[in-house]
Order: sequence, then C-alpha cells, then structure tokens
Amino acid sequence: DQQVKQNSPSLSVQEGRISILNCDYTNSMFDYFLWYKKYPAEGPTFLISISSIKDKNEDGRFTVFLNKSAKHLSLHIVPSQPGDSAVYFCAASGLTGGGNKLTFGTGTQLKVEL
Amino acid sequence: DAGVIQSPRHEVTEMGQEVTLRCKPISGHNSLFWYRQTMMRGLELLIYFNNNVPIDDSGMPEDRFSAKMPNASFSTLKIQPSEPRDSAVYFCASSFRPTYEQYFGPGTRLTVT
Repeated sequence: DQQVKQNSPSLSVQEGRISILNCDYTNSMFDYFLWYKKYPAEGPTFLISISSIKDKNEDGRFTVFLNKSAKHLSLHIVPSQPGDSAVYFCAASGLTGGGNKLTFGTGTQLKVEL
Repeated sequence: DAGVIQSPRHEVTEMGQEVTLRCKPISGHNSLFWYRQTMMRGLELLIYFNNNVPIDDSGMPEDRFSAKMPNASFSTLKIQPSEPRDSAVYFCASSFRPTYEQYFGPGTRLTVT
C-alpha cells in the first residue's frame, strides 16, 4: 500500500520556467512533509519541509504548498536551473509509525533543459 | 562535521555469500535508518533505531536480513545468505529526534551475482 504517491515519474522543463512537482498521500495522520533531492550516485539531500499547520513554506527559489483537504502537496521551483535536474522525493511523517519515521514516494525525475 | 559515512560504496558478491554494510551516523544524532532503493519500489525503509534500540523492523524483507546498532556511532546491516534479488542501493540516514529531517549517506551499491 503506497501511502505517498508521486504519479509523474518524470518531468521536463525549460530553464527559467517554473517546475511543479506533485505528491499525494492517503494517511490523514501525516502531519509533516518533506522534499528531498537526489543526484546520481549520491544520497538524498533535504530540500524543504512543511508542517500541517501551514499551507505554504518558501525558501529562495523553492516553495512547498500543502492542501490538507485534498491530501496533496506540491513543490514549485522558480526559476528552474539546469543544476536542479535530479530526482525529487516527497516524504511524510506523523504520530503513527513512531515519531520521526518517514514514508517516501517513488520519486520524480526532473530534467531542466537549456 | 562529517556527514553520514557508509562503507563499502560498492559491493559485488556471489549468491549465498554473507554481506555486511556499515554506517556511521552524524555525531549527536539519536535516530538511525536503513533504506533500500530499487527502481520498482523506490526508497523503502527497512529498519530504524532510536537511541540504539530497534523501533520498527517491519520493512526487513526476510530473516536473511539483520541489523544491529551496538553503539551510537555504528550500525551494520547484514544479509546472509545473499540472493540476486537483494541487488539494490542501500542507504543509511540519521536524524536528531524529535526533528524529522534525515541526513543520508552516499549509499552502498550491492550487486549479487
């Protein structure tokens, strides 16, 4: 049972445009959400997070939006840069499962083209 | 401060052999996680420890897999005997509970022939 879903395995965007990566979850007990970025042959690195008490969190070019009623979150990258090309994982956590355990989606490969 | 350290980075072994993966978490972190990444299933949590105690091992696929954390600065994931379907990238991550952000090591790419 996939509790965190990233339905788009890949996304291609032109440099300078906005990239929007989507994530859906099914467990209503999740209360904290994170995005990770992963380059080939490296471990995932933390990018940005949001608590369920907020609906938006911004950090530079990266903004995460949370729609609790739809159980949906999205990551916006603007403007997109070639260095943003990577796999992006959505992750969620909550009181179920014991504190700080994360459940990851399957990832979206973002390619930013010149 | 050094990040999460994993060894070896690459491991090639024959079916039936024992494999041991090692992890050193970030100093001061009190939670440690072992993940497996495959094309089909993405990032799967295998097991995690809080303060060196295993909390949830429900993701460990079979009895062939075992993990230990003898102290706060070291953990191992062992596969005995290994099988070709165990081929994957294995990641170790650590965090400071109760925060959620986890910091990942570079991974160990395991190939079982």
